[in-house]
Parts: sequence; C-alpha cells; structure tokens
Amino acid sequence: QSALTQPRSVSGSPGQSVTISCTGTSSDVGGYQYVCWYQQHPGKAPKVMIYDVSERPSGVPDRFSGSKSGNTASLTISGLQAEDEADYYCCSYAGSYTLIFGGGTKLTVL
Amino acid sequence: QVQLQESGPGLVKPSETLSLTCTVSGYSISSGFYWGWIRQPPGKGLEWIGSLHHSGNTYYNPSLKSRVTISVDTSKNQFSLNLSSVTATDTAVYYCARGANDSRGYRLYYMDVWGKGTTVTVSS
Repeated sequence: QSALTQPRSVSGSPGQSVTISCTGTSSDVGGYQYVCWYQQHPGKAPKVMIYDVSERPSGVPDRFSGSKSGNTASLTISGLQAEDEADYYCCSYAGSYTLIFGGGTKLTVL
Repeated sequence: QVQLQESGPGLVKPSETLSLTCTVSGYSISSGFYWGWIRQPPGKGLEWIGSLHHSGNTYYNPSLKSRVTISVDTSKNQFSLNLSSVTATDTAVYYCARGANDSRGYRLYYMDVWGKGTTVTVSS
C-alpha cells in the first residue's frame, strides 16, 4: 500500500476557489466510491469534511465539495476563508477492510 | 457525547513494544462502530494502523500487520494498541478514533470522532 498522491501545497486568496487532487489506483480511489477528505489544523485532530466522494457531514459548509474521476479524487473549496488554512488529507477504502491516506496538502490562504 | 482519550508511555526504547490505550466515554464499545488507531510522524501525513469492529474482529494495515495487535477490554470500555519491535520510524502522534455511522451503517474507512492524540517517541 503506497500513500495516495496529493500536491504538497496549494494556495488561494480569500473568496477564490482552490482544488486539491488525490491520485490513487484502481485498487483504492478508482475501485470504490469511498473517498473522504479531512481537514487538520496545527496541533489538532483531523476533522472529516467529505465522505463517499461528495457527501458532507452535517455542519460542514457547502463551500466544500468533492468529486472523482477515474483514479483521481478532488476536493474543491470555494469562497476561501482565512480559517480554511490547514492541512488536507484524502483517504480511500482500499479493499479487504483496509484504508489508505494521502500524503497531505498544505492550503495557504494568501 | 462520545469522547476518546489516548494514554500510554511517551517514550519507548527501540526493539521494545509500544502499548497505548484508548478510553471511550459516552458510549459502550461493544454496542457498535469500528474503533481505530491512526498515527502521524512529526511533520508527516496520516497512516492508518488498524481497526477493531465492535464484534471483536480486527483489521490491520498490511505494512504493519506483522507487528500490530489491537484488542478490547469491554469491562473498562477501552481498546488498546500494541506495536512490537519499534524503531525510530515509529515515533509519531498516535490517535484513536471512531468509525462513522451513516445511512450505509457502520463505516470502517472514515472516522468522525477522534481523540486528541498522544505523542510517542522511540529512543534509547
């Protein structure tokens, strides 16, 4: 199991949109509709923002959206706000009751 | 509301066994959910270690499987992690977490409640 591939960093200005990609294989991202995204602020535990590719848990703003095409999933954050600055991790079910995370992306709000 | 709290030694010697406990409050572990362990080395990403189903079944990261045991103590409402033969690369913040429950039922692959994490350093 190799970690899913994410860009190390992305940035955007307040009000803009950014998209973070997460590339895996047909054995994980491409094989299931089970992709999630976590937000992690420094020194804090991760918080799930998206599950099942595009579903939002209650309380997560609709500025956060998810999608998937083939072996690549994406998280889009629209209307960027200062509090969105954090690390973002994708995750995917990888079969046989296992899961795998991405390497993480640092989002900077300029 | 359910809360999770990790506990255990903050320093472990190389080649020894790392042992951590997650105490769950506000919910009985044996009643439902998957319960998992995830770690994060300093400055690095998240790594799933393994999960425990409330029935007692366990599931492990294939890359760690030979060294990992997750067990449960229902009388104390705790679940534990043992990681044997540790090296410096096992230095990390270790989190325990609960798998979510949604319209599809209990979910293994994503967690909606996390502990605050505990730092474990492997060093002589």
